[in-house]
Amino acid sequence: AQKVTQAQTEISVVEKEDVTLDCVYETRDTTYYLFWYKQPPSGELVFLIRRNSFDEQNEISGRYSWNFQKSTSSFNFTITASQVVDSAVYFCALSVWRDDKIIFGKGTRLHILP
Amino acid sequence: KAGVTQTPRYLIKTRGQQVTLSCSPISGHRSVSWYQQTPGQGLQFLFEYFSETQRNKGNFPGRFSGRQFSNSRSEMNVSTLELGDSALYLCASSSLGTSGIVDNEQFFGPGTRLTVL
Repeated sequence: AQKVTQAQTEISVVEKEDVTLDCVYETRDTTYYLFWYKQPPSGELVFLIRRNSFDEQNEISGRYSWNFQKSTSSFNFTITASQVVDSAVYFCALSVWRDDKIIFGKGTRLHILP
Repeated sequence: KAGVTQTPRYLIKTRGQQVTLSCSPISGHRSVSWYQQTPGQGLQFLFEYFSETQRNKGNFPGRFSGRQFSNSRSEMNVSTLELGDSALYLCASSSLGTSGIVDNEQFFGPGTRLTVL
């Protein structure tokens, strides 16, 4: 069975601080995909990144970066120089190859304080 | 390109009633998935349709059903509503690749917020 754990339920940081959201996943499959989604107050899930299990390269996109470590089954997400607009709930998710459903973590609610 | 649309956005029903929610995917997308989001259980997969066929189903009772039409629009139905069915129901579409949905980005709609009284 697959499982995604986001241990941080809620985080508050002051604007311009860096913040890391943790994600630990469990799966016995060797081919799988990891995702991060952002859910702003409007409710719509916004796709941020997809990473497959064979690509452990870290990725940076503007102020966002992702650290994928298979050895610790983690896929952490860092926001550098946070902004108030980053306030949202962030979900980490997992899907195994040839399985059409995505397993979501419980989410981390991020508050960026001005 | 228009995004995923869901109707209605808000719905209030009473216990025992049934409800139908609608989802129109992005033009050209043939795969539609449904998710239920509640404070207690979080985001949970309901089912996925591709070319009018249900390909995968989550762990929900038979009161939850869905279908997909030839134009890829999808509906989900919940019969005999219970208080616990109150949730945000999200629909997502993707342009399915040959290796399966997980190869492709899922685009989510704004959701339908269902309240059961």
